[in-house]
Amino acid sequence: AIWMTQSPSLLSASTGDRVTISCRMSQGISSYLAWYQQKPGKAPELLIYAASTLQSGVPSRFSGSGSGTDFTLTISCLQSEDFATYYCQQYYSFPPTFGQGTKLEIK
Amino acid sequence: QVQLVQSGSELKKPGASVKVSCKASGYTFTSYAMNWVRQAPGQGLEWMGWINTNTGNPTYAQGFTGRFVFSLDTSVSTAYLQISSLKAEDTAVYYCARPGYSSSWNWFDPWGQGTLVTVSS
Repeated sequence: AIWMTQSPSLLSASTGDRVTISCRMSQGISSYLAWYQQKPGKAPELLIYAASTLQSGVPSRFSGSGSGTDFTLTISCLQSEDFATYYCQQYYSFPPTFGQGTKLEIK
Repeated sequence: QVQLVQSGSELKKPGASVKVSCKASGYTFTSYAMNWVRQAPGQGLEWMGWINTNTGNPTYAQGFTGRFVFSLDTSVSTAYLQISSLKAEDTAVYYCARPGYSSSWNWFDPWGQGTLVTVSS
């Protein structure tokens, strides 16, 4: 299985800030990476797939980059509704695996 | 719109069984696989496996063999997760999730709303 290291596990930021979340793979996965947002008591929602393709309806302040082993989710200008937990997920090889999650909290 | 609606929360005693349903709408059910993901309380996401909605053939991730069974009723566009011999450590929210394109698994969208299964005596 591919191991994923997502960092940081906790991120404190303020509305209007630019933040980045990292996801590092134990081996190369090309661009087979997705990002999800999860709010308390809700199901995860897809933000980005293929490392950098924004899912329809997702605000453009979200962006993804990277390929191979290192990936980044960037939120360019935090809004109040962005405070949530974020997960990366690889779908390059079986089994698909998720990162440990990054909780984005209000500073 | 494409939607997955799951059955409601369950409270079960250790040793009992539970069956969670996931009803799909807004697309042709047999055109996409169905995946299942577990989230223990306060924990991250864990992929459990997937079922081929054309053949009914399931594939289970390591750790989800034996007591976990995926099944279908294509006549009502519904996938099921059955867990037998429940243990306290099975307490979790269980999600069904459709792959983004017509394949076994890739990215997941949409997700069901989740079903909380609580195992307690």
